[in-house]
Amino acid sequence: GAVVSQHPSRVICKSGTSVKIECRSLDFQATTMFWYRQFPKQSLMLMATSNEGSKATYEQGVEKDKFLINHASLTLSTLTVTSAHPEDSSFYICSATGSGNTIYFGEGSWLTVV
Amino acid sequence: RKEVEQDPGPFNVPEGATVAFNCTYSNSASQSFFWYRQDCRKEPKLLMSVYSSGNEDGRFTAQLNRASQYISLLIRDSKLSDSATYLCVVGRGPNAGNMLTFGGGTRLMVKP
Repeated sequence: GAVVSQHPSRVICKSGTSVKIECRSLDFQATTMFWYRQFPKQSLMLMATSNEGSKATYEQGVEKDKFLINHASLTLSTLTVTSAHPEDSSFYICSATGSGNTIYFGEGSWLTVV
Repeated sequence: RKEVEQDPGPFNVPEGATVAFNCTYSNSASQSFFWYRQDCRKEPKLLMSVYSSGNEDGRFTAQLNRASQYISLLIRDSKLSDSATYLCVVGRGPNAGNMLTFGGGTRLMVKP
């Protein structure tokens, strides 16, 4: 079974609204979580690194005010896409690492902005 | 230049064929290397880590050449279920938990 749960798996939202995606580690405490975005037929692109209790570190070109990341506990990180636009439609996926340094990916979230 | 480069394919091969994928990376300081498999519209799943000495897992063999900054994956006796996109992944640190950079993936289609 999944050890990293991502929710929702699919979401459709209207342009201009915000949508929150949750990433939970189920069986372990995730000290670090990563958020990726994948456009069709392209590779996963790292958006940000999230450490529990501290501000996320964003990759170059990723707007921190648009993609809000909160890692309030060792088992939960959230990504909020604010003021979503159709070009934000993509596959968003999180990964988490625990003390064993194994990476676990969430199942991904398909976001469609209409 | 992309940090991790792969031939996007697709590689169309018959069942039972042997197929090889290559990958190059630009950051000589990279310390960990992996092959992931990603099925359509799903999350990537770790296929195998790659070590300088080369490693094998059943029908899959991975090789790393640090001098040439080159990683390979060999699949023998291809199965229909091997059809997927194979991602070459490079880590900035020595552990799997460090930030990963994904190649664009190589698509494999195994035909009956």
